Amino acid sequence: EDKVVQSPLSLVVHEGDTVTLNCSYEVTNFRSLLWYKQEKKAPTFLFMLTSSGIEKKSGRLSSILDKKELFSILNITATQTGDSAIYLCAVEGGGADGLTFGKGTHLIIQP
Amino acid sequence: DTEVTQTPKHLVMGMTNKKSLKCEQHMGHRAMYWYKQKAKKPPELMFVYSYEKLSINESVPSRFSPECPNSSLLNLHLHALQPEDSALYLCASSQPNTEYSNQPQHFGDGTRLSIL
Repeated sequence: EDKVVQSPLSLVVHEGDTVTLNCSYEVTNFRSLLWYKQEKKAPTFLFMLTSSGIEKKSGRLSSILDKKELFSILNITATQTGDSAIYLCAVEGGGADGLTFGKGTHLIIQP
Repeated sequence: DTEVTQTPKHLVMGMTNKKSLKCEQHMGHRAMYWYKQKAKKPPELMFVYSYEKLSINESVPSRFSPECPNSSLLNLHLHALQPEDSALYLCASSQPNTEYSNQPQHFGDGTRLSIL
């Protein structure tokens, strides 16, 4: 059974701080790892990672995958209150198209 | 708003009612998914359709019945639900994965379902 573990489960920081969110996984026939941001409604796609060591960046957010150690990190620099959300890590593998999600990191950015 | 549209946004129904959740996308995606998300929990996969054929059914009770009438539409028919079925039901779509290509899933805003 595929397994995704995220840490920390919750995090409170001040605006302007940098945060690092962690995701470790066990999956049969790994295909990809994805990061999503969820506020009130739909999970919003952030990154899809398939290859080790290649950093993906989008503005203040970046992510990297280590397929040897089976983990990924999501970095957010110069955090803003609008970054407050639940950040979900998900993996896809085993020949299926469905995602297995971790429990998420609840990030709160205080002004 | 997302490119995956779900209706209704909210639904309250009794345990003897029959209702349907609808999902529509016009991104040309050929894979569509239903997930169930309970409060403070991550989404859990229920069904996967690929090229309008059901490819994964994650041991979901038969009171949930999916239907994919065409490549843009996905329905979830509900009958005789239980109070524990109250949750946010999320639809997602993507291009099907191939040996050479992985595609991310894009989610709708969900239908918040309450069973009385």
